[in-house]
Formats: sequence, C-alpha cells, structure tokens
Amino acid sequence: DVKVTQSSRYLVKRTGEKVFLECVQDMDHENMFWYRQDPGLGLRLIYFSYDVKMKEKGDIPEGYSVSREKKERFSLILESASTNQTSMYLCASTEGGEETQYFGPGTRLLVL
Amino acid sequence: AQSVTQLGSHVSVSEGALVLLRCNYSSSVPPYLFWYVQYPNQGLQLLLKYTTGATLVKGINGFEAEFKKSETSFHLTKPSAHMSDAAEYFCAVSEVRGADGLTFGKGTHLIIQP
Repeated sequence: DVKVTQSSRYLVKRTGEKVFLECVQDMDHENMFWYRQDPGLGLRLIYFSYDVKMKEKGDIPEGYSVSREKKERFSLILESASTNQTSMYLCASTEGGEETQYFGPGTRLLVL
Repeated sequence: AQSVTQLGSHVSVSEGALVLLRCNYSSSVPPYLFWYVQYPNQGLQLLLKYTTGATLVKGINGFEAEFKKSETSFHLTKPSAHMSDAAEYFCAVSEVRGADGLTFGKGTHLIIQP
C-alpha cells in the first residue's frame, strides 16, 4: 500500500512565524502535491512538483513556498504565517503517468 | 479551465435508502474523474475513478458512478445507505494524467439518519 505521511497532525503557530510542513511518501512517486482544505471551499492546489528540485505553482501559491530536495520528501513553507493561513493542509503523491493521487492524513494548522 | 460543481453541501438520507451525490464538471478535453471520501480527521481515500472505457464505474464500499458525457455529469450512487457512509465526499477532475493537480468540488457532507 502507498503510504503518505505528514509530520504533524496538529500545529499551533503565532503570526509571523516561519512554518514548515513536511510530507514523505514511500512509493518512489514522481509527483507530489500540496492542497489546503477549507469548509465550503473544498481542496485547492497550492504547489506541486514533478521531480526533485522542480516546482510548479498551483491555484493559490501566494504566501507559500515549497522545497523538494529528495524524491520522497516535499515540504510546504509558510515564510511568515498569517491568520488567514489557518487551515487543513493535505499532501498527495502519484506515480508519473498515473492519475490516482494518494493522500496523507492532513495537518491542521492554527495560526494565532 | 476545468471546474467541478457538487450540488448540495449537505445531503441527508435514511439508513437503507438510496444515496445520490451529484457532480457536474467542465473540461476542454476528455477528463479523468474521481470521487474521494473523507472520514472525520482523516485524509482523502479514493472511492472510484473514470479514465476511459466503461462509463459505469464501480468502487469500494458498494458505491458506483456513471460518466455521462452529454450531461457532463459523474453522479455517485449507492443503493442502500449504511451508517458508516457518513462522511464528506469530493468529486474531482483532471485533464492531464498524473502530472497536474486535481480540481475539486466543494464537497458534500453525507448524513445518515437512523
């Protein structure tokens, strides 16, 4: 089974802090994704990566950056956290050429 | 650009009744279509997907969906609801196999009445 893990289930941070959300997949997948989930808005794509050191902006990249130094790990970075970034963050991965995305359990971030 | 509309943010059915969750999409090319389920405090789990071929797709837990190109729809059904089906359901579309992200609908919260 594909396993996608996220470093924290719950995080509480203060406004202005730098926040790192980590995602690791164990199936050697080429593509990795970060989404945020908000009630009534569904999931929205923040960034994705189709290879090591490659990244592409999704629909809502403002206020975020990403890092992919190793194939199995994809990090989402909030350079200066703000209260409007309070959300559930979901990581996903997929094999190149395959359409099914596998999701991690999510990180619920609260920015005070 | 692709988009997904899920009709009804909340759907309530009685246990044993038919479940119907509606999904309409827009896409400029033949799409890949998905239904995911999310149980409380968990990530998303794939229920079923349509890529090519047979338009009636069967998934896990007794769910199925039918791709209707003429109606640009991909509605999710289950003949008999069970209490364990209570969850959030998301319809999603992709125009590119694998590399791009999915475009999700806003979700439908399914409530099962005893």
